[in-house]
Amino acid sequence: AAGVIQSPRHLIKEKRETATLKCYPIPRHDTVYWYQQGPGQDPQFLISFYEKMQSDKGSIPDRFSAQQFSDYHSELNMSSLELGDSALYFCASSRDHAEKLFFGSGTQLSVL
Amino acid sequence: QKEVEQNSGPLSVPEGAIASLNCTYSDRGSQSFFWYRQYSGKSPELIMFIYSNGDKEDGRFTAQLNKASQYVSLLIRDSQPSDSATYLCAATTGGFKTIFGAGTRLFVKA
Repeated sequence: AAGVIQSPRHLIKEKRETATLKCYPIPRHDTVYWYQQGPGQDPQFLISFYEKMQSDKGSIPDRFSAQQFSDYHSELNMSSLELGDSALYFCASSRDHAEKLFFGSGTQLSVL
Repeated sequence: QKEVEQNSGPLSVPEGAIASLNCTYSDRGSQSFFWYRQYSGKSPELIMFIYSNGDKEDGRFTAQLNKASQYVSLLIRDSQPSDSATYLCAATTGGFKTIFGAGTRLFVKA
């Protein structure tokens, strides 16, 4: 069965650089979520999209932006990277909001 | 107060015992509740979901929901060393987001 695909798996950036993370949801899933998980921390909700529109926003810094495209894939853009942005970034998709989430393998971002 | 609270553990149980994991939530409007298992460095994997008050059983797992007490639990029967992981409780809010608890680390000793 198709799963949520994230790319890249690993990303190394320097402070003040920009990064773009991509997420391809499971086919026919119309809701995409982005989470940030620091070492030993629980996943922190960043932002979600439903039918290509932003549906909810969590603790996402103003330096970050995201969008969902016509093919339902989503991109998380991160600018002016800081050391504290180093974390595992998960994308998840669901058939509908309030439904069970299926997670991608995550992108490990390291900011040096 | 976090929206979803869990004991961080670690919870240690012997192989074959019942592991009991607990969770409380603050948003009375939450309708859907989930338990995810996460191995270190891996993505969370859904193991149980529950929407109605009462118990829901799936194999060795039983989820329990009490909306009046805003309480969700997960029982793992016949615990195995492979069950050792972090278990994340999650609840949907009135909006389009699922909020996770901090997770409970479970160790099953062989």
